[in-house]
Amino acid sequence: KNEVEQSPQNLTAQEGEFITINCSYSVGISALHWLQQHPGGGIVSLFMLSSGKKKHGRLIATINIQEKHSSLHITASHPRDSAVYICAVTNYGGSQGNLIFGKGTKLSVKP
Amino acid sequence: DGGITQSPKYLFRKEGQNVTLSCEQNLNHDAMYWYRQDPGQGLRLIYYSHIVNDFQKGDIAEGYSVSREKKESFPLTVTSAQKNPTAFYLCASSDHRGRFDYGYTFGSGTRLTVV
Repeated sequence: KNEVEQSPQNLTAQEGEFITINCSYSVGISALHWLQQHPGGGIVSLFMLSSGKKKHGRLIATINIQEKHSSLHITASHPRDSAVYICAVTNYGGSQGNLIFGKGTKLSVKP
Repeated sequence: DGGITQSPKYLFRKEGQNVTLSCEQNLNHDAMYWYRQDPGQGLRLIYYSHIVNDFQKGDIAEGYSVSREKKESFPLTVTSAQKNPTAFYLCASSDHRGRFDYGYTFGSGTRLTVV
């Protein structure tokens, strides 16, 4: 079983829809990251959070430490939101300080 | 603007040849990382370095080598010993070894194809 699981794997939405991507993890963490990867391959960091909720524009990220679960929400989705969204965690106490990645959720928003 | 530069974006090499991927950052970050991405899989750690002149193997280091002679540079060499080198390679950096509230910055990646 992977230490970081995302769902769904693929998601197709119509423009304007509210979107939720879920992430569950099984290790102790010091932080959780939501990343966005566009077709060209480069990755952009969207959020890093260790508790509660963060909002940036139409994106909202929440985390429940007790349940080891995080969600990424996109309100009023737009075709330019089409990308792969990756959840990653920084393993608590890990000497490497490295990220453990989920496999990603491929989002396609149709006009 | 500060960031990470990876070059080249696309690289083609013949089987059996060594190839070096460049990663440069001007963020003054201590830590740098190399990840490999294959279709349908999450990114996997190849090597990492927390300080100059020191680096450690990650989960899939076999067939790869790195150096960290300067804080801003962390080149990755894919050697002929790597059995399946065709993949997408991402470089990243972070401040204070990625702990607690310190974030990561990623490069735009290099897609390596071995023919």
